[in-house]
Amino acid sequence: AQSVSQHNHHVILSEAASLELGCNYSYGGTVNLFWYVQYPGQHLQLLLKYFSGDPLVKGIKGFEAEFIKSKFSFNLRKPSVQWSDTAEYFCAVNALRSNTGKLIFGQGTTLQVKP
Amino acid sequence: NAGVTQTPKFQVLKTGQSMTLQCAQDMNHNSMYWYRQDPGMGLRLIYYSASEGTTDKGEVPNGYNVSRLNKREFSLRLESAAPSQTSVYFCASSDPGELYEQYFGPGTRLTVT
Repeated sequence: AQSVSQHNHHVILSEAASLELGCNYSYGGTVNLFWYVQYPGQHLQLLLKYFSGDPLVKGIKGFEAEFIKSKFSFNLRKPSVQWSDTAEYFCAVNALRSNTGKLIFGQGTTLQVKP
Repeated sequence: NAGVTQTPKFQVLKTGQSMTLQCAQDMNHNSMYWYRQDPGMGLRLIYYSASEGTTDKGEVPNGYNVSRLNKREFSLRLESAAPSQTSVYFCASSDPGELYEQYFGPGTRLTVT
């Protein structure tokens, strides 16, 4: 069965520190990849997405992610975090072969940024 | 555009009671989804509707039913609520024309006592 694994469950950083959140998936076919963010008390919002082309994708608020096909990974990065980045982050994968748009989500990573 | 809307925002039920969660989208999307979110487990798909007139089970369908009323609306019903169904429920929609990027509603926080 397809699965998505986020290695870091809870990350605590100080402001201005660099961030990298790991995401690996298990599916051998063509995929669309997403990172969503959920700020406290809010619904999920799209941070960035990869469909095809340049494996380094840039999203909102200075986030970027790199798709490494050989490693089945889509890690999220930000060079310098802010207190306002405190949120829960979810990696998600859509297996295109299913043609249903179903997303498989990782367990989520809670990021706490200390001012 | 309102995007994806859900009602109610909060609900408390007693074990055995029933209720329906409503979801509507105004983006003309073909596909709609219901997820539940529990701490440490991410979002798990309950049911989805790839297109109007079709519904399919997701990862955790037991205890739930759905109805795709029309292209806009997709409801989730709990026939006999159980404490294990205490969760936050999110509805989402997507479309192949947008490469299945999903748009989420604000969620319903359900407590079953």
